[in-house]
Amino acid sequence: KNQVEQSPQSLIILEGKNCTLQCNYTVSPFSNLRWYKQDTGRGPVSLTIMTFSENTKSNGRYTATLDADTKQSSLHITASQLSDSASYICVVSARTQIYGNNRLAFGKGNQVVVIP
Amino acid sequence: DAGITQSPRYKITETGRQVTLMCHQTWSHSYMFWYRQDLGHGLRLIYYSAAADITDKGEVPDGYVVSRSKTENFPLTLESATRSQTSVYFCASSEFGTGDFHEQYFGPGTRLTVT
Repeated sequence: KNQVEQSPQSLIILEGKNCTLQCNYTVSPFSNLRWYKQDTGRGPVSLTIMTFSENTKSNGRYTATLDADTKQSSLHITASQLSDSASYICVVSARTQIYGNNRLAFGKGNQVVVIP
Repeated sequence: DAGITQSPRYKITETGRQVTLMCHQTWSHSYMFWYRQDLGHGLRLIYYSAAADITDKGEVPDGYVVSRSKTENFPLTLESATRSQTSVYFCASSEFGTGDFHEQYFGPGTRLTVT
């Protein structure tokens, strides 16, 4: 069973509208949670990194939230643009005893399509 | 600012052939990683390297070989390609590994098809 579950798998939204993507995880011990944006045919690009003490973090029109108690995170996209069409990947980092070598668990991604 | 590059970007090969995918980064990052991305799966770690001449297995290492003689290069070799290795391969680098707040930067990917 994947330790990082994302929903919805895909969604279509109208340009200018908002949307929220969900990420639930079971990874432990928790170190941090990352959201990446992956455009078609490209590598993932980091949007945010949050530790357990951070509830929310913004990067432009992207706002990530984290509830470490319920092991849930969300990524909110405000006033969507056509360029927001991409896959959004939730990645949870598990702390290990080897410095610099946290185990990363990747979700399968939320596929977002923004239409005019 | 080249960053991290991969070559080739697309490759078609036959079952049983040896294939090498190249990865080059210009930041002098210590850590480098190879992932594969398949439909229905999240990114999966194949191998990683903490420094030149230091490599270790990831989640799905079978059928792959890596080397790292220079900090900036991290080639991935499929010794005898199989159809199950058809995938998109991503190389990534990180200055201090994957610990807290340590960013990981991904290359553009190599789409490999094994026929």
